[in-house]
Amino acid sequence: NAGVMQNPRHLVRRRGQEARLRCSPMKGHSHVYWYRQLPEEGLKFMVYLQKENIIDESGMPKERFSAEFPKEGPSILRIQQVVRGDSAAYFCASSPPKPGTGYNEQFFGPGTRLTVL
Amino acid sequence: GQQLNQSPQSMFIQEGEDVSMNCTSSSIFNTWLWYKQDPGEGPVLLIALYKAGELTSNGRLTAQFGITRKDSFLNISASIPSDVGIYFCAGQLRQAGTALIFGKGTTLSVSS
Repeated sequence: NAGVMQNPRHLVRRRGQEARLRCSPMKGHSHVYWYRQLPEEGLKFMVYLQKENIIDESGMPKERFSAEFPKEGPSILRIQQVVRGDSAAYFCASSPPKPGTGYNEQFFGPGTRLTVL
Repeated sequence: GQQLNQSPQSMFIQEGEDVSMNCTSSSIFNTWLWYKQDPGEGPVLLIALYKAGELTSNGRLTAQFGITRKDSFLNISASIPSDVGIYFCAGQLRQAGTALIFGKGTTLSVSS
């Protein structure tokens, strides 16, 4: 059973360009989370999605950032007009559907390291 | 926003020693999770805790969900060189499907 897959693993963009980060959840998982990690820091929640729905985007910057999880294909985190402060590691996690329970184990991908020049 | 205070920030130990790290918060958590992250990789789930007072082991790792629901600790017994890495605690404030709040991590170094 393949784990969470993310690509690209490394992405270099110049200021003002767009960055697209992809995440394929584990097989059977329908919940996807995006987190950002700055050097020497823990992970910070950005957005939680289920298929075709954004459930919680309370950690997402209001401008330039967007996320989607279409019915078919991977989840995409899109950053428009990148700035140097966007340089970070972006991690995707997935969890299985567990209706009616309070348990939610999130499994992380290897991350995409974004560098903005 | 909610914060988790994780300590110590770093540890330097000899192979074979036991290690203990903990996380505390002013908020009540429904779930505590412990992850390990190696350089250039994503966090790997080590132990998940769901009930106050719960004590769970995974090999040489043991973690407990504090009785007040505001803290958790992770112990590693008889450390080995491959235990090197950054250990993160993470908690969930509400029922399934919500964001994980992470501590800042404990960096573990093991000398043989």
